[in-house]
Amino acid sequence: EDKVVQSPLSLVVHEGDTVTLNCSYEVTNFRSLLWYKQEKKAPTFLFMLTSSGIEKKSGRLSSILDKKELFSILNITATQTGDSAIYLCAPLDNDMRFGAGTRLTVKP
Amino acid sequence: SQTIHQWPATLVQPVGSPLSLECTVEGTSNPNLYWYRQAAGRGLQLLFYSVGIGQISSEVPQNLSASRPQDRQFILSSKKLLLSDSGFYLCAWSRDRGYYEQYFGPGTRLTVT
Repeated sequence: EDKVVQSPLSLVVHEGDTVTLNCSYEVTNFRSLLWYKQEKKAPTFLFMLTSSGIEKKSGRLSSILDKKELFSILNITATQTGDSAIYLCAPLDNDMRFGAGTRLTVKP
Repeated sequence: SQTIHQWPATLVQPVGSPLSLECTVEGTSNPNLYWYRQAAGRGLQLLFYSVGIGQISSEVPQNLSASRPQDRQFILSSKKLLLSDSGFYLCAWSRDRGYYEQYFGPGTRLTVT
């Protein structure tokens, strides 16, 4: 059975801190892994990772995939209050299999 | 650019009443369409997906159904709602199932009382 585990489930930091969010997965017919940010409503797409060891970067956010060890991490440096959200990872075979998410709270 | 719409934004319905949620996509043709449900504090659960008009696949058995009467229209329905149907319902589209990221609509928050 497919399994996606995100950790930690919740995290509270102060502005300026760096955070690392983890996602481990067991998915048959794995093709890629996606990260989403969900604030109040719809998740918004952050990254799609297909190859191991290649970091994807967008501003203060970066992510990397390890297909051998079956995990991915999402890093956020110099966090801001606007980074407060639920971060979802979703391995993709034919469909996305979402984890429960990490709820990040950034305090001023 | 592509846009995805969902309505209504919020809905409160009594147990046993019918349900119809609508999703439409603009700016693309022949999209793959998806319905998800998100319970409080949980991840997204895929309910249905559709690769074309009239083609619906169900991921989980339940009292919900989906239909795709037009290329860019996806409808989630129920004949009789249960309390357990409460949740946040999200529609999404992608270019090709299994190879591209999905983009989500604004969602419908359903409360069954």
